[in-house]
Amino acid sequence: AQSVTQLGSHVSVSEGALVLLRCNYSSSVPPYLFWYVQYPNQGLQLLLKYTTGATLVKGINGFEAEFKKSETSFHLTKPSAHMSDAAEYFCAVTTIQGAQKLVFGQGTRLTINP
Amino acid sequence: DAMVIQNPRYQVTQFGKPVTLSCSQTLNHNVMYWYQQKSSQAPKLLFHYYDKDFNNEADTPDNFQSRRPNTSFCFLDIRSPGLGDAAMYLCATSREPGNSYEQYFGPGTRLTVT
Repeated sequence: AQSVTQLGSHVSVSEGALVLLRCNYSSSVPPYLFWYVQYPNQGLQLLLKYTTGATLVKGINGFEAEFKKSETSFHLTKPSAHMSDAAEYFCAVTTIQGAQKLVFGQGTRLTINP
Repeated sequence: DAMVIQNPRYQVTQFGKPVTLSCSQTLNHNVMYWYQQKSSQAPKLLFHYYDKDFNNEADTPDNFQSRRPNTSFCFLDIRSPGLGDAAMYLCATSREPGNSYEQYFGPGTRLTVT
């Protein structure tokens, strides 16, 4: 079975500072990994995904994430935070085997300070 | 634009009064999912349809039912809502497993139970 742990339920950074949201996964088979963003009273929007190939994945809104198998991590970064980045971020994992279900982490609320 | 639509966005129902939430999609995806998301929590999968095949999660209460009359529409029925069922309900779609692993989410319906 797969699982996801997001370190830090709340992260606060200053506008213009580096954003780093941590995600570690557990999977007995090669994982497919996702980061979703959720703004208040909205659905989830895909930021980026890793399935196969290049381990550094670039997504929308300037975000990127690197799949590190040896560390079982898929941390999300953005070089310079913008006020509009304030939202809830979810890391999720699925695998090619079995039903195509997403297993979510508990989420990280990102706050941007002016 | 192809998308996932949920109606209504906000729904108020009385304790014990049946309620139906609606989801439609223009993506022509084979798989449709229903999630329940409570405040400050990750989405929790209730069930999903792969075409007409219904797949219930083991811990989904019997109070929750679903219908998928055609490819485009899927409904969530809550037979006797309790106060604990107040939540955001998210609909999502994906292509058949093995083709794409990304799920596309609707904006959600926020259910209030009075």
